[in-house]
Amino acid sequence: DTGVSQNPRHKITKRGQNVTFRCDPISEHNRLYWYRQTLGQGPEFLTYFQNEAQLEKSRLLSDRFSAERPKGSFSTLEIQRTEQGDSAMYLCASKTPGHQETQYFGPGTRLLVL
Amino acid sequence: EDQVTQSPEALRLQEGESSSLNCSYTVSGLRGLFWYRQDPGKGPEFLFTLYSAGEEKEKERLKATLTKKESFLHITAPKPEDSATYLCAVQAREIGGANSKLTFGKGITLSVRP
Repeated sequence: DTGVSQNPRHKITKRGQNVTFRCDPISEHNRLYWYRQTLGQGPEFLTYFQNEAQLEKSRLLSDRFSAERPKGSFSTLEIQRTEQGDSAMYLCASKTPGHQETQYFGPGTRLLVL
Repeated sequence: EDQVTQSPEALRLQEGESSSLNCSYTVSGLRGLFWYRQDPGKGPEFLFTLYSAGEEKEKERLKATLTKKESFLHITAPKPEDSATYLCAVQAREIGGANSKLTFGKGITLSVRP
């Protein structure tokens, strides 16, 4: 069990560019979550998957954001036409199936949009 | 809408000076309350999950308690390495796969001076 991993750890991009982040959950964790965290705030929920199905999306997730988990393993989060307001830490978490509710977080991807 | 309020926003303690961090919450049926520790530039690290009022959990110098309206994280004889941001989150009872997300407070920044 190597924990949740995220790549890249840091990304600097220019406004208007597209970016994609990857999350590899803990093996055998069927639920995968994406959160966004800005400075001085707690993480805010974006979306989550159970296996390959995207079951819930936040109103924060505008049309420029899309997430996939094609084979029920790793997930990608893409932001199209980035804006300066997208600058944040993007966190991924995973949870084991069953009644244990704890979500385990990865190290995050810090995005800076210039 | 689920809400989490943490207080104080920041806390400075002398090494060995015990204190408590507060997390007040409103949720439409509590499924679980979670405490995480977050170091600068890193993802949240899981500490405790509490499921019902009256439940308590301990780990080294930390003890978490839960009532129907709030949770406390008690820190006994803290050390400088306990300096971090402590996040509280709640999860509401799921309805058809929805409400699986965590709703976080803004966090409490703890600084322990040697």
